[in-house]
This record gives sequence, C-alpha cells and structure tokens, in this order.
Amino acid sequence: AQTVTQSQPEMSVQEAETVTLSCTYDTSESDYYLFWYKQPPSRQMILVIRQEAYKQQNATENRFSVNFQKAAKSFSLKISDSQLGDAAMYFCAWTASTGNQFYFGTGTSLTVIP
Amino acid sequence: KAGVTQTPRYLIKTRGQQVTLSCSPISGHRSVSWYQQTPGQGLQFLFEYFSETQRNKGNFPGRFSGRQFSNSRSEMNVSTLELGDSALYLCASRATNTYEQYFGPGTRLTVT
Repeated sequence: AQTVTQSQPEMSVQEAETVTLSCTYDTSESDYYLFWYKQPPSRQMILVIRQEAYKQQNATENRFSVNFQKAAKSFSLKISDSQLGDAAMYFCAWTASTGNQFYFGTGTSLTVIP
Repeated sequence: KAGVTQTPRYLIKTRGQQVTLSCSPISGHRSVSWYQQTPGQGLQFLFEYFSETQRNKGNFPGRFSGRQFSNSRSEMNVSTLELGDSALYLCASRATNTYEQYFGPGTRLTVT
C-alpha cells in the first residue's frame, strides 16, 4: 500500500529549541520524491522542503533539515531554533517520478511555546 | 507570479444540491490536482489533470468529477451533495518536469 504514517498527531516545542517530526512511508517505487508541507492556521499549504530519493545527502533549507533513511523508508523533519511562526500542521508527502499523484500523511500539529 | 487561486473561498450548500469549484493554477503550470481535506482523513487525492486530460483518479464516488480547460484552469463538480462532503477542497498546481506542488487557499464547503 502506498501509505504515509505520521505517528505524532501533536507535538510541542519551546521557542528557540529544536524539534523533530517523524514520518515513515511505504512504496515499491524506486524513483520518488519526498516533501514536507506546512499548513498554518490560515490554511495555505506551503512547501517547506523536498528530498529526491536518489540523493543520499539530506536536504536543508535554513532552519529546516531532513533525516532521510531510504532503507528504513523514514523521512523526518528537524526544525532548529523554533519560532512562533513555525506553529502549524505539518504534512509529510511523497510522489513517484511520474508526479501525478501525491500521498500525504495525516499531519502533525506543532505548537510553539513562547 | 501569482499563486494558485481558488473560488469561491466559502460555500454553504444543502444536501442533494450540486456544487462547482474553480481553480486557476500558477501561470505556466499544466498539472492541476484536487484534494479533499477533513480532520479525520487528512488529505485525500481526488484527481489530477494535465493538458485537459485526467491522468489519475482517487478512490471517490462518481459524484465527484472534474475537468480542465485549455488555459489549465480546472473545475471540480460534486453532485447530489451529502453531509460527509463537508470539507476543505484544495487545488494544487505543478510545473512540467518538476515535482513540487503549490497549493491554493482552498474552498471550504459546508453541506447542511
């Protein structure tokens, strides 16, 4: 089954601290792409970071980085120096190289405590 | 470039009615996907269109349909609305030969 599992429905982090959101996925594809999206309370879904499965190097975007473990089918998101604006629902997703269907997890709601 | 736009933003309908939602992708994007988002189910894939052709369809009943126009704008239609169709409907567009999707703000549909 082409599934995405986010086992942490809710997480909280102190401002300026680091938090890691977990994601595992299941696919038989050999070539695929992984994403983390952020959905703030305003509801606009925003792309946070992407990872190509063929790349061993973990992607980073400023304070956001991933830990991609292909064999384990794990794709966690680390947010460093958490800010109040990071509070949102975070969704993990993947798509095959055809790109015509995305599979999303059920999301992790992140609260940032001042 | 302007982002993905969706109209209307909010909609209230009665059971049994039908509804049409509209999505305008980012200029130059030819792929448009639709998702239904509910608190319990997360994002569920409805369908994807590319150059006016439906390339993929999710596991939804035939009451859910869509189309894409030559300018890449897309519409989705839900007929014979049910209470369970109440959800946030998201549209996303993607450029050819890239893989990230860009989402619109969504249409909040409430069925009473």
